[in-house]
Amino acid sequence: KAGVTQTPRYLIKTRGQQVTLSCSPISGHRSVSWYQQTPGQGLQFLFEYFSETQRNKGNFPGRFSGRQFSNSRSEMNVSTLELGDSALYLCASRWGESPNTGELFFGEGSRLTVL
Amino acid sequence: GDSVTQMEGPVTLSEEAFLTINCTYTATGYPSLFWYVQYPGEGLQLLLKATKADDKGSNKGFEATYRKETTSFHLEKGSVQVSDSAVYFCALSVETSGSRLTFGEGTQLTVNP
Repeated sequence: KAGVTQTPRYLIKTRGQQVTLSCSPISGHRSVSWYQQTPGQGLQFLFEYFSETQRNKGNFPGRFSGRQFSNSRSEMNVSTLELGDSALYLCASRWGESPNTGELFFGEGSRLTVL
Repeated sequence: GDSVTQMEGPVTLSEEAFLTINCTYTATGYPSLFWYVQYPGEGLQLLLKATKADDKGSNKGFEATYRKETTSFHLEKGSVQVSDSAVYFCALSVETSGSRLTFGEGTQLTVNP
């Protein structure tokens, strides 16, 4: 069974540009969530999608957005990139909706560098 | 708000040494508690979990007990191996939070032969 797949794995952008990251969850998983990992702030929750609906959102500015498609694949977009957006962006999937006593399966992440 | 505090790292041990990584939490309601591990260049993997007080999660020789009275979930292993070198994250979720995990800062463990 394939794991969570994130693309691209590495990318470099300049300030002011925008970026789109993609995540394919494990087959059958309907929930996809996104996390930002940085050395200074650690792991922070961005948002969660279930059945194409955003169910939960972290404390990030509106430049960060996402969506989920009918096949459960998800994308996140960051507009007007800032240097501080440099991070590892992790996608995670799980089967159910709630309560969250189940395991999250993480992808290997997309490492974004903003110059 | 919810928070998780882990012992500061990095931690360096010799092979076969005893490992403890401390984790305490603050949460509204009754959280579920997790330990995730991140090996170099990889995403996070669930190591173990506990969903109610006095539950003990265990996996691959690692153990952690959900202590409601001390709001703690310390990770232990009796004899570490070089292959255990990784970053360990304590995390919690509450029933209404869906996939939202609150993570601790992470503890880098290096095990030397």
